[in-house]
Amino acid sequence: GIQVEQSPPDLILQEGANSTLRCNFSDSVNNLQWFHQNPWGQLINLFYIPSGTKQNGRLSATTVATERYSLLYISSSQTTDSGVYFCAVDSRNFNKFYFGSGTKLNVKP
Amino acid sequence: DSGVTQTPKHLITATGQRVTLRCSPRSGDLSVYWYQQSLDQGLQFLIQYYNGEERAKGNILERFSAQQFPDLHSELNLSSLELGDSALYFCASSVTPVSYEQYFGPGTRLTVT
Repeated sequence: GIQVEQSPPDLILQEGANSTLRCNFSDSVNNLQWFHQNPWGQLINLFYIPSGTKQNGRLSATTVATERYSLLYISSSQTTDSGVYFCAVDSRNFNKFYFGSGTKLNVKP
Repeated sequence: DSGVTQTPKHLITATGQRVTLRCSPRSGDLSVYWYQQSLDQGLQFLIQYYNGEERAKGNILERFSAQQFPDLHSELNLSSLELGDSALYFCASSVTPVSYEQYFGPGTRLTVT
């Protein structure tokens, strides 16, 4: 199947700092999504972004499909941004949805 | 609120038992997906249905089965439960099975004792 690698695995930030999370994938994809899993376990859609760039408030994402990676930018981080960020892809060749292992973010006040 | 509902929220049962998890997709979504999130395996795709038909299979054990009903709700049946089946089970839905955003329900936390 497709390999999805996220980095860094853990990230500690001071409130107000910026960060970049990376997702590398090993095959062509139909679908790429970024999720935030909050401390209560809920998976919240951040971006549906198989290619291109999108922005939503303090968050933005860029996917370069030809180079098989996606980046999630968090600016002016807040304590409510804490949680685990997952990248997930749907491979064109395997017709399945694969999650990365996540980046655990801790934003300190 | 994603519009996807799952019941129950929590379930505690004993080894060897059988349970059924239920999912209702967002209005208008025809495709339903099931995922398992455990501490050691991370988030894993189990199975996908589209308009009542199985469309893709992931790492779903033979003890597990699922179906999607004519009203598009789906059920995941877990039988002969083992301690290792304790996990958070998510359902997601999308309009179509390919190239469309998936929306996740709140999950069912299963504890097998």
